Amino acid sequence: NAGVTQTPKFRVLKTGQSMTLLCAQDMNHEYMYWYRQDPGMGLRLIHYSVGEGTTAKGEVPDGYNVSRLKKQNFLLGLESAAPSQTSVYFCASTGTGSYEQYFGPGTRLTVT
Amino acid sequence: DQQVKQNSPSLSVQEGRISILNCDYTNSMFDYFLWYKKYPAEGPTFLISISSIKDKNEDGRFTVFLNKSAKHLSLHIVPSQPGDSAVYFCAASKHAGNNRKLIWGLGTSLAVNP
Repeated sequence: NAGVTQTPKFRVLKTGQSMTLLCAQDMNHEYMYWYRQDPGMGLRLIHYSVGEGTTAKGEVPDGYNVSRLKKQNFLLGLESAAPSQTSVYFCASTGTGSYEQYFGPGTRLTVT
Repeated sequence: DQQVKQNSPSLSVQEGRISILNCDYTNSMFDYFLWYKKYPAEGPTFLISISSIKDKNEDGRFTVFLNKSAKHLSLHIVPSQPGDSAVYFCAASKHAGNNRKLIWGLGTSLAVNP
């Protein structure tokens, strides 16, 4: 039981490049979330999903897109990376009837 | 507008003493509160939670107290250990709605000194 995994762990992008971050969970959770964490800013919600095939905007969605084609996977895309997107990205999931979110180890992204 | 506030960015405590981390909230619709612990280069991990129908929840060395009238909760760690040194986040949720979103505080960095 791996819980929540994130790929990759580290990435360096040049401005304007694109990439996709993958989140996978093996707990059969309905709800999945993407956050970014910046110094002094806490955890900010980018996008979330309440089930397979659904997505919704969070607090800071601009510049990001997401997809939830399979229940266990939640993808976060950056179409044209900007230095302001340099951050640590966390994926989390939770099941029906629970509020406790389980987090992945994070992806550290640097955009130069 | 920060709905969940952790007003102390950092706290330093001696090993064996009590650590008290505080959290205030502004939205009276919040009905579930959680504390998470985060080590550097790792994801946050769930620590303890409390429903708004209770005023205390205890799990080993960790106790969370909720004062609804003051919109305040606190996490007590007794006794504190060096391994407790981490950033602690307070989070809150509303039962209404089906998205299970959490509203997060900015965190308090706890240092437990040997």
